[in-house]
Amino acid sequence: QQQVKQSPQSLIVQKGGIPIINCAYENTAFDYFPWYQQFPGKGPALLIAIRPDVSEKKEGRFTISFNKSAKQFSLHIMDSQPGDSATYFCAAMYTGNQFYFGTGTSLTVIP
Amino acid sequence: GAVVSQHPSRVICKSGTSVKIECRSLDFQATTMFWYRQFPKQSLMLMATSNEGSKATYEQGVEKDKFLINHASLTLSTLTVTSAHPEDSSFYICSARDPRVGGETQYFGPGTRLLVL
Repeated sequence: QQQVKQSPQSLIVQKGGIPIINCAYENTAFDYFPWYQQFPGKGPALLIAIRPDVSEKKEGRFTISFNKSAKQFSLHIMDSQPGDSATYFCAAMYTGNQFYFGTGTSLTVIP
Repeated sequence: GAVVSQHPSRVICKSGTSVKIECRSLDFQATTMFWYRQFPKQSLMLMATSNEGSKATYEQGVEKDKFLINHASLTLSTLTVTSAHPEDSSFYICSARDPRVGGETQYFGPGTRLLVL
């Protein structure tokens, strides 16, 4: 059973656009929601993370929006650049436990 | 952020041989490390949780006798794929939990590409 559902599977945007990647979860015990960026042949790198007591968090061009009642969270990339082309994974965990990863979104930013 | 290294970055071996992959936390002590397997264009699949000084906890369906994990120190965990077969070919990634930042954050290594001929 997929603990965290992620969509879309792939996304193509023009440079400067704002891609949005969505994730949904069921387990209300989850209390930490990170996003990871992965380039081909590399390990995932932590981008940004949020806890459920906050509805939005912004770091640079990356923003997480969190809707606790809907059990959904999303990643927004402002002013996207070709260098942002990568696979993005959302994840969820509850303290002391393992990460549950989404299925990934392949983002392509066209120059 | 914290740095996690893996060695080797890629390895090619013959079927039936064993391969050891090392995972090191370079600037922090990690009491917990995780081993993942990733198939092309798919998500990360947790194989096992490695705790320093104790036996690893394996996920359902992962053969503990085939994927031997040793977490001998606070900065090193190793994964040994024993009697490797072509179906073991995959991208193996480790991560380490950094206790200095509350324990939630996991930093991933760069991965090891294993090809079994």
